[in-house]
Amino acid sequence: QKEVEQNSGPLSVPEGAIASLNCTYSDRGSQSFFWYRQYSGKSPELIMSIYSNGDKEDGRFTAQLNKASQYVSLLIRDSQPSDSATYLCAVKVRTGANNLFFGTGTRLTVIP
Amino acid sequence: KAGVTQTPRYLIKTRGQQVTLSCSPISGHRSVSWYQQTPGQGLQFLFEYFSETQRNKGNFPGRFSGRQFSNSRSEMNVSTLELGDSALYLCASSFRGGQGMNTEAFFGQGTRLTVV
Repeated sequence: QKEVEQNSGPLSVPEGAIASLNCTYSDRGSQSFFWYRQYSGKSPELIMSIYSNGDKEDGRFTAQLNKASQYVSLLIRDSQPSDSATYLCAVKVRTGANNLFFGTGTRLTVIP
Repeated sequence: KAGVTQTPRYLIKTRGQQVTLSCSPISGHRSVSWYQQTPGQGLQFLFEYFSETQRNKGNFPGRFSGRQFSNSRSEMNVSTLELGDSALYLCASSFRGGQGMNTEAFFGQGTRLTVV
């Protein structure tokens, strides 16, 4: 069983819509959760981190964490063509250590 | 504030050779982690260095090794290169806190290694 699972997509949404990206993880003791955006040919860029249950908002991005369900999601409101990228979910099992487990990523395309 | 710097950006090597990649973390960050990214396996953790010591290691063969210097710069080495080692190698810089501290990782632009 993979540590972190994501739908590989592709996910297509029209410009201005809400994109919803989902991620599940297997280690119930996981402590920290991150969303990275990766444009083709580029390196991952951190866009959100979340550590406790509930929602965390940053501009057009909202991360949601439910530790009981072992589920983390990312909502992108008012999607723009520039949001088209692969979104990677990453989980850190222990605080203090810096090894991340990544999902395989969801490819998002925002259609103008 | 300068970001994470990786050199070189691109490398082409022949099977059996060895390669050394370099990473300079964000100023003030003392933890450097290395990852391999391939289309088939995605992003996989190689190892983490902090205070010149390897702190965590992923599931990679001993051909993959690393080190960290007193200025926190890190190098990773791959010996006896195989075709399957062709990948994007990414370095991540973090402030390493103790238990209970949440820290974020910031990636460099990566080194694209092609083994022929």
